Amino acid sequence: GAVVSQHPSWVICKSGTSVKIECRSLDFQATTMFWYRQFPKQSLMLMATSNEGSKATYEQGVEKDKFLINHASLTLSTLTVTSAHPEDSSFYICSAEGGRGWDEQYFGPGTRLTVT
Amino acid sequence: DAKTTQPPSMDCAEGRAANLPCNHSTISGNEYVYWYRQIHSQGPQYIIHGLKNNETNEMASLIITEDRKSSTLILPHATLRDTAVYYCIVRVDGSSYKLIFGSGTRLLVRP
Repeated sequence: GAVVSQHPSWVICKSGTSVKIECRSLDFQATTMFWYRQFPKQSLMLMATSNEGSKATYEQGVEKDKFLINHASLTLSTLTVTSAHPEDSSFYICSAEGGRGWDEQYFGPGTRLTVT
Repeated sequence: DAKTTQPPSMDCAEGRAANLPCNHSTISGNEYVYWYRQIHSQGPQYIIHGLKNNETNEMASLIITEDRKSSTLILPHATLRDTAVYYCIVRVDGSSYKLIFGSGTRLLVRP
């Protein structure tokens, strides 16, 4: 199957700083990437959908100015958490699919963010 | 909101079949049933999907009722590594269609 990687796998940052998380499709071109957030013992919550070369579409209730998404190439999308607060501490997961004819999304291993 | 209902938890003995049910009574004609699983602190893993016919692959079988209002994921010979949260999701097929995760079923495989 297709492989999606995330970097870093975990990060600790101080309140008020910004953190960037990378999501890469390693062996396919991802026309669409998705970003999810998961709090402990809860399900995944979709944050936004991004298509290469265009602005991301955010789900209701997700602040687009706080969670900046860039999908600059067919193999890379980034999520930047700006002015992080302790309540932003969570498990962030990306997924990718290769466009028409693809039946499933492939998920990255996730990034655990802790804001102190 | 998720369009599926699953029991919060189940367990089965190692080596036995695990049958995970899912209700999706409001499924539309062009929506597929997808199953993913998530092992603790990892990203979800695709298992199988189907529209109306039963499907089988190397991981599992998917049985969809004739009225498509419910389905069952079958792991024929569960192992300890199958312990995970299993998510049943309905989704319009094709690219760029988002997955909306419900609460899933936490499956515990007992030794």
